[in-house]
Formats: sequence, C-alpha cells, structure tokens
Amino acid sequence: AQSVTQLGSHVSVSEGALVLLRCNYSSSVPPYLFWYVQYPNQGLQLLLKYTTGATLVKGINGFEAEFKKSETSFHLTKPSAHMSDAAEYFCAVRRPNSGYALNFGKGTSLLVTP
Amino acid sequence: EAGVAQSPRYKIIEKRQSVAFWCNPISGHATLYWYQQILGQGPKLLIQFQNNGVVDDSQLPKDRFSAERLKGVDSTLKIQPAKLEDSAVYLCASSLLGQGAAGTDTQYFGPGTRLTVL
Repeated sequence: AQSVTQLGSHVSVSEGALVLLRCNYSSSVPPYLFWYVQYPNQGLQLLLKYTTGATLVKGINGFEAEFKKSETSFHLTKPSAHMSDAAEYFCAVRRPNSGYALNFGKGTSLLVTP
Repeated sequence: EAGVAQSPRYKIIEKRQSVAFWCNPISGHATLYWYQQILGQGPKLLIQFQNNGVVDDSQLPKDRFSAERLKGVDSTLKIQPAKLEDSAVYLCASSLLGQGAAGTDTQYFGPGTRLTVL
C-alpha cells in the first residue's frame, strides 16, 4: 500500500537557516507526492506536488522538494527560514485506486527561533 | 473564489451522543473527501465521494459513522453513538476532477470541525 514516513516529529531551526523536512515513501506504483502545511486552527494548504516530469518541484513561499526514486524520498527544503514558516507540515501520497484521496504522514512541527 | 466551508467549527458532546458535521465544497467540485485528524497524527481518509456516489469508504467505521452527499453538492458526516476515541478534527476537502481524471488534481481543505467527546 502507498504510505509515507516523516522523519522527525519536531524540527527547530533559526531564522535565516536552511529548512529540511524529511519524507520517505513506499509505493508499488509510481507515486504522486504532496507536501501540505497546516497553521494553527486552519485547514491544510498545498505547498507543492510531484506527479510526473521534473523531479525538482517548486512550491509556494519559497519551498521546494526533490523526488528521488533511488532513495524513495521527497524531502522538503527552503533556503532561509522565516518566522512565519512555523507550522505543521505533512507529506502525503496518493492512495491507490481511489482518484486523488491521500495517505498522510504523521506530520513534522517546524519551530523557527529568532 | 469561496473556499470549503464547514460547520460547526467546534463541538463538545458526551460519549454515546450523536453529532453531525456539515461541509459545503467549492462550487463545481466533483469530488468531496472527509478526513479524520487525531491530535498528533496526520489526516486519515474516512470517505470519498464523486458527485453523489461513494468512491472509497474502506476506512469509515460503518457501525457508527455515516455520510451522505446530497445532490452531489453539500455533505454531512454523522457519528452515532460517539466514543471517546472519536475526539479529533474532521476535515472536509474538495477537488475539481473525479476519479480517473487525466492530469493532476488539487484538494482544497476546509478549516475543520474540532470534536471533543467527554
């Protein structure tokens, strides 16, 4: 079954530092992969997605992710963290045979310190 | 365009009571999803509708949960009777295309309903 594992439930970075949030996937078919962000008391917002084509995907707010099939990874990065990036981040993979429903990871809470 | 609307935003009930949540998707979106997000976990799909038909309800606890999508637009999710472990945020999402559609599709999430079962 399609699933994702997020490494690290909490990540802390200094403002201006590199953000790296890790996600590994398991899939029996070429995966569709997603990163969502959730701010407190809000719904999830799509950051970026990989379906086919270019393996380096750019998203909103300066985030990007690279699909690496050999490593079964889809890590999320941002060169310079901003205080407003503090939120919960979820990696997700499309469920098999169900259109576009998603299986989510457990999430990584990003803390940005001054 | 207006986003996905959900109500109520918060609900507190006692175990064994019933509760219902309402979702209004983005206009024109064929597919609607209900997810359950327990504290500290990622969202888990409960049910997916395409128009007013069920696409996937394999993870819906059918002994107590039910859902319908009236006329392929609004949807309600009901829990009867509620258990303590049902305490969670219930997220509704919608997407434009349906199952098997070519290309990509994006799910848009509502703000969720936070349910507390005492």
